[in-house]
Amino acid sequence: DSGVTQTPKHLITATGQRVTLRCSPRSGDLSVYWYQQSLDQGLQFLIQYYNGEERAKGNILERFSAQQFPDLHSELNLSSLELGDSALYFCASSGGQGGYNEQFFGPGTRLTVL
Amino acid sequence: AQSVTQLGSHVSVSEGALVLLRCNYSSSVPPYLFWYVQYPNQGLQLLLKYTSAATLVKGINGFEAEFKKSETSFHLTKPSAHMSDAAEYFCAVSAYNNNDMRFGAGTRLTVKP
Repeated sequence: DSGVTQTPKHLITATGQRVTLRCSPRSGDLSVYWYQQSLDQGLQFLIQYYNGEERAKGNILERFSAQQFPDLHSELNLSSLELGDSALYFCASSGGQGGYNEQFFGPGTRLTVL
Repeated sequence: AQSVTQLGSHVSVSEGALVLLRCNYSSSVPPYLFWYVQYPNQGLQLLLKYTSAATLVKGINGFEAEFKKSETSFHLTKPSAHMSDAAEYFCAVSAYNNNDMRFGAGTRLTVKP
């Protein structure tokens, strides 16, 4: 158990809909990262927050957005969903900003868009 | 920006044989390097990391990796494969001045009895 929790575990929705994925980092970790893992794209970094502020952006679509709240939990919002958005979405957390800090991954949310 | 390349998307070994998973990195600054393992239907779990101390890094489950600057490599090895090692393995790189960690495409390890 990494200490990172993600809800829900599974999500099934239809094209055009909007969903919210939730992540609670390990106790004391200030950084939260979001990743998308699919068979064709592999593990893709989406976005990082540190103590409530956006710090790095990866291959995140404009239809996707995220935020980190004062209690450090984070939400990833996916809108106007398309079939290709079906994937595993992972949240990870780390203790600081330095590159030497390993990331601890949650169990993931499996999103299926029908 | 940094990146990693994992050579071989699939590696198959017999139980008891040597495991060698290859990773080459690219970085304009001294890198930090990581190996993660992902078991089916689970998140990624850290196996080991290199952060500029000893070049030979020992991790969990008997795995180790050696940082070779001249070869820009960080290959993962285990002397004797076990059936429970079957999983997907990811190499990742970041740098001291940012935590934009970049992952390789992954290598799926199969262990044959």
